[in-house]
Amino acid sequence: GAVVSQHPSWVICKSGTSVKIECRSLDFQATTMFWYRQFPKQSLMLMATSNEGSKATYEQGVEKDKFLINHASLTLSTLTVTSAHPEDSSFYICSARDLEKLFFGSGTQLSVL
Amino acid sequence: DAKTTQPPSMDCAEGRAANLPCNHSTISGNEYVYWYRQIHSQGPQYIIHGLKNNETNEMASLIITEDRKSSTLILPHATLRDTAVYYCIVRVNNAGNMLTFGGGTRLMVKP
Repeated sequence: GAVVSQHPSWVICKSGTSVKIECRSLDFQATTMFWYRQFPKQSLMLMATSNEGSKATYEQGVEKDKFLINHASLTLSTLTVTSAHPEDSSFYICSARDLEKLFFGSGTQLSVL
Repeated sequence: DAKTTQPPSMDCAEGRAANLPCNHSTISGNEYVYWYRQIHSQGPQYIIHGLKNNETNEMASLIITEDRKSSTLILPHATLRDTAVYYCIVRVNNAGNMLTFGGGTRLMVKP
């Protein structure tokens, strides 16, 4: 199947700093990518839909100024967590569609101290 | 997307078939049934999907009832590595449509 590469796998940062997470579709082009967040022992929650060449669409309750999404090419979307705080600590996962299927990155575990 | 109902957890003996049920009684005619699984601390992995016919691939079989109100994912010979949370999702196939995850079934394969 198609491969979605996500980096980094884990990151630890100090409160107040920004963290960038990259999501790449390796062998297909994705005009739309999705960003999810998952807290321990909970299901995945959609944060935003990333659209190539246009602004992202955010789910209700997700701050667009805090979670900056850039989808500059058909194979790369980035999520930047700005001014991170401990409550932003979570597992972040990206997803991209290839034909009828959605494929997921391996996830990024963010820990904010 | 139609809502799905899955048991929160199931156990299965290693080497035996694991049958994971899913109810989706409000499914629409153009909605597909998708199954994904998530092994601890990893991103979800696509398993299989279907519209109304039964489907089989190298990972699993998908049995959809004739009225399409329920389905069963079958892992024919479960191994310890199949221990994961399995998600049944129904969705329309269009480009901008994301997946909405419910609680899933936590499958524990035991030796």
